[in-house]
Amino acid sequence: RKEVEQDPGPFNVPEGATVAFNCTYSNSASQSFFWYRQDCRKEPKLLMSVYSSGNEDGRFTAQLNRASQYISLLIRDSKLSDSATYLCVVPRGRNTGFQKLVFGTGTRLLVSP
Amino acid sequence: GAVVSQHPSWVICKSGTSVKIECRSLDFQATTMFWYRQFPKQSLMLMATSNEGSKATYEQGVEKDKFLINHASLTLSTLTVTSAHPEDSSFYICSAPRGDRVYNEQFFGPGTRLTVL
Repeated sequence: RKEVEQDPGPFNVPEGATVAFNCTYSNSASQSFFWYRQDCRKEPKLLMSVYSSGNEDGRFTAQLNRASQYISLLIRDSKLSDSATYLCVVPRGRNTGFQKLVFGTGTRLLVSP
Repeated sequence: GAVVSQHPSWVICKSGTSVKIECRSLDFQATTMFWYRQFPKQSLMLMATSNEGSKATYEQGVEKDKFLINHASLTLSTLTVTSAHPEDSSFYICSAPRGDRVYNEQFFGPGTRLTVL
């Protein structure tokens, strides 16, 4: 299994739709997980952190299934401004100190009017 | 919130020249910074870990003599691409973890787009 693997994109959805992205990871010792958003030719920006079973922030919900080593990101009521590439990020190695991050290849979302 | 800056934001150079990229943490001290590279349509790949006061550690396959890293202070790390060639053209991004944040949340610089002619 790859260190971090994501759904291939692009996902084309209309405004208002609900869309879900999946991500699997290989490091069973990982305790924290992240979803980053990256706009074209820009740096990644942290969208959500996931430390326990899940996390919700407005229209965004991230869920974690440790047994299956699987993380998901759900976006409800999609907006045009949600169009971006969503990166699943998992720390490599021990969960102490400053951790190296492993990035998935990203899933591209295109929200249309 | 925390801010990380990079300079320059873009650079075009001739093959064989060296290019220096600066990464600064603006409102916090960073004893560790990370350097990434991103080729078109690919994800970020970690190149090296920059450590203040000691040598950088490089990921497998990254040439330390080609990508020189200097972490001169608690707020500045520099990456020098020596004898750059067209295949070095890429988007270079640094990040700095903030030790007082839960799980050391990392903040990314805006990136430097390098084009080698």
